[in-house]
Amino acid sequence: QKEVEQNSGPLSVPEGAIASLNCTYSDRGSQSFFWYRQYSGKSPELIMFIYSNGDKEDGRFTAQLNKASQYVSLLIRDSQPSDSATYLCAVNGNKLVFGAGTILRVKS
Amino acid sequence: DADVTQTPRNRITKTGKRIMLECSQTKGHDRMYWYRQDPGLGLRLIYYSFDVKDINKGEISDGYSVSRQAQAKFSLSLESAIPNQTALYFCATSDLNDTGIQETQYFGPGTRLLVL
Repeated sequence: QKEVEQNSGPLSVPEGAIASLNCTYSDRGSQSFFWYRQYSGKSPELIMFIYSNGDKEDGRFTAQLNKASQYVSLLIRDSQPSDSATYLCAVNGNKLVFGAGTILRVKS
Repeated sequence: DADVTQTPRNRITKTGKRIMLECSQTKGHDRMYWYRQDPGLGLRLIYYSFDVKDINKGEISDGYSVSRQAQAKFSLSLESAIPNQTALYFCATSDLNDTGIQETQYFGPGTRLLVL
């Protein structure tokens, strides 16, 4: 079992829809959770981090964390074509581990 | 100016050559990392350093070595490059917050390496 698992996608959503990206992790001691966006050939850039159970909202983005289920998600509301990218989930227990990423395609 | 810089940005080399990738940061972070990224495999940690005197192997350190010359500089070397080391290499920095929790990692722009 991989330490951090994401569906590779691609996830295709129409413009204006909600995109839901999911991530599960194996280390129950994990304390911090991150979502990065990466455009092709570019470096990952942070979208959000979350430390506590529940939801955290920042603009069109909402991160959701459920430690009991070892599950973290990212919702993107009003998806735009510019949101098309690979989204990386990263989980920190005793070290930071990245998932392989989910490709998101927003179709106009 | 960028907070995390990497040189070179692109490099083509031949099998057996020694190559060094350099990373510098102005964020004042103690922690620095080297990753490689291959299609479908995500980011894999090569080496990391929590301060100048602390160097640790990541999950794929074989064939690589590092040097932490100063808080702001962390170099990655391929002693004898081989074609399966062709990849996109990223340097990153981070720090701990006041409660000791790992903070965000900030990435450099990447070095695209091709080994022929």
